[in-house]
Amino acid sequence: GESVGLHLPTLSVQEGDNSIINCAYSNSASDYFIWYKQESGKGPQFIIDIRSNMDKRQGQRVTVLLNKTVKHLSLQIAATQPGDSAVYFCAENTGNQFYFGTGTSLTVIP
Amino acid sequence: KAGVTQTPRYLIKTRGQQVTLSCSPISGHRSVSWYQQTPGQGLQFLFEYFSETQRNKGNFPGRFSGRQFSNSRSEMNVSTLELGDSALYLCASSLGTGLHNEQFFGPGTRLTVL
Repeated sequence: GESVGLHLPTLSVQEGDNSIINCAYSNSASDYFIWYKQESGKGPQFIIDIRSNMDKRQGQRVTVLLNKTVKHLSLQIAATQPGDSAVYFCAENTGNQFYFGTGTSLTVIP
Repeated sequence: KAGVTQTPRYLIKTRGQQVTLSCSPISGHRSVSWYQQTPGQGLQFLFEYFSETQRNKGNFPGRFSGRQFSNSRSEMNVSTLELGDSALYLCASSLGTGLHNEQFFGPGTRLTVL
């Protein structure tokens, strides 16, 4: 079955540094990926998505990289701020349903 | 535009009881998906409704069911509750079906089964 996993369950970064959160997926047929941010007590919030015909997509302070060869997805956050502290998880879609990773907890140290 | 709303936000039930959770999607959104979120399993897809029809279903037992009304509001029901059903239940709405549409999540309903 599908599995979406994160390499590190926790990540601590200094304010102002860049953050990189990684995600591995197992289904080579997955063609759509989303990164979500979830703050305590809130539902997941869409950050950025990418389709399998792309290998990079940039948003405001965030970049998602997709490496289909090794089935790896990463989220880069530039100039990390205290408000970025949250759980981040990726989701893959095979066209039928989304499969989510368990998440990486990002802590920004002021 | 108001976001996705879920009621109630918190719920405590005992084993064997049943529960109904409600979700109101963003105005104009016709697709509602339900997820169960637990610390160990992450988000797991329950089902998706579009135009009052279930379009996709995850791997959950028949105790979990749902429905969607003509105004796109959706309910999910869990019967014969088990301790393992304790979780955060999230619904997400999107404009269309086909899970490539961006989904907007509600704050969730925290269900505790005692």
